[in-house]
Amino acid sequence: QSALTQPASVSGSPGQSITISCTGTSSDVGGYNYVSWYQQHPGKAPKLMIYDVNNRPSGVSNRFSGSKSGNTASLTISGLQAEDEADYYCSSYTGSSTLAVFGTGTKVTVL
Amino acid sequence: QVQLVESGGGVVQPGRSLRLSCAASGFTFSGSGIHWVRQAPGKGLEWVSLISSDGSLEYYADSVKGRFTTSRDNSKSTLYLQMNSLRAEDTAVYYCVRDHSTRVVRGVITQWGYFDCWGQGTLVTVSS
Repeated sequence: QSALTQPASVSGSPGQSITISCTGTSSDVGGYNYVSWYQQHPGKAPKLMIYDVNNRPSGVSNRFSGSKSGNTASLTISGLQAEDEADYYCSSYTGSSTLAVFGTGTKVTVL
Repeated sequence: QVQLVESGGGVVQPGRSLRLSCAASGFTFSGSGIHWVRQAPGKGLEWVSLISSDGSLEYYADSVKGRFTTSRDNSKSTLYLQMNSLRAEDTAVYYCVRDHSTRVVRGVITQWGYFDCWGQGTLVTVSS
């Protein structure tokens, strides 16, 4: 099972919006609405930001939103803030013996 | 609050074994499936395994199948990962992670959940 493809880095200025893509196949991202997104600050454990494509857990800012089209899922961060600077990973169910796959990760930089 | 605390990491030689533990608190441990997810130094996340809430079902990534075994003791709210025949490529921080919403019917996953609470991780280094 190959990792989902994400851009290595995305940057934006405070207040701007950015979008991170997560491209898989019809066997994972395209086949199920089980895409989730995780934020990871350096030296810290990942934190759930979006689940089931476009749902936010309680406590996560509404500046974070998710979507999916075909085999590509996306995470949008609006009103970018300094604290959003982190690595972001998508994940999808695969339906195969390796049940889940993560993306390659995207480093978000706030300019 | 929900807490997952991993322990047991360290340096081990290739081919040897190591057992990780994960102590849970702040939620009904026996009601949740638990995953292991790992992250090699400077690399991305990799799903390793899932054990059902009652411990009767186990699932493994192809990369560890036959070498790793996950188990749990619900009376102690503790999860374990027995790692045998370790390889250099198993070097990583290992996280135990609570599952939310995955449903299994007669061994078949009918609904996939997500990784909602993570431990702080324990580092395993496989090196001679």
